[in-house]
Amino acid sequence: GAGVSQSPRYKVAKRGQDVALRCDPISGHVSLFWYQQALGQGPEFLTYFQNEAQLDKSGLPSDRFFAERPEGSVSTLKIQRTQQEDSAVYLCASSLLAGFSGANVLTFGAGSRLTVL
Amino acid sequence: AQRVTQPEKLLSVFKGAPVELKCNYSYSGSPELFWYVQYSRQRLQLLLRHISRESIKGFTADLNKGETSFHLKKPFAQEEDSAMYYCALRREYGNKLVFGAGTILRVKS
Repeated sequence: GAGVSQSPRYKVAKRGQDVALRCDPISGHVSLFWYQQALGQGPEFLTYFQNEAQLDKSGLPSDRFFAERPEGSVSTLKIQRTQQEDSAVYLCASSLLAGFSGANVLTFGAGSRLTVL
Repeated sequence: AQRVTQPEKLLSVFKGAPVELKCNYSYSGSPELFWYVQYSRQRLQLLLRHISRESIKGFTADLNKGETSFHLKKPFAQEEDSAMYYCALRREYGNKLVFGAGTILRVKS
């Protein structure tokens, strides 16, 4: 597609439910990032994939959060046993090249807004 | 750890007035600094980066390593500049961006 596509755009979950958020990056993009953006805050890094390899997951807040990109394209962020503090917008971004510098620009998706009741 | 601080949550100026959005960072190495913008109902997008030394939509930003700042400036604000602006840092050899909390710019007519 022309841009980074995320689904669902909005998700309401009851506390304790599992959720899965999907990201379709731009075709051919090597790098894929997940960010979490709480209300009134800037995006915070969660995890980074280079093709199918998850090279950095230092931002995942707990072991309830899991991300995968099995074929190096579509990625899924899964949150198990959701808590109210998980309520946020989850942003996916991709870039053409590995690493991040110079002309290697991040393209962001519109985000998935998760509300945990 | 790296940190980006944007001290103003909201900056309100009149059309035609100069604009300066402040950004300070803490990082001991040689960072890359970026400004991202999010217009109403649009996605986050790159505005400019310090290594390009470019002017985009009339905006410029200079990296001041002595003051650890990367303030965004525009001499004459336009109404279409109204948006949320985020300053972001990438450390050398890193891959992730560290964002500030953002500043809402409102340009009044």
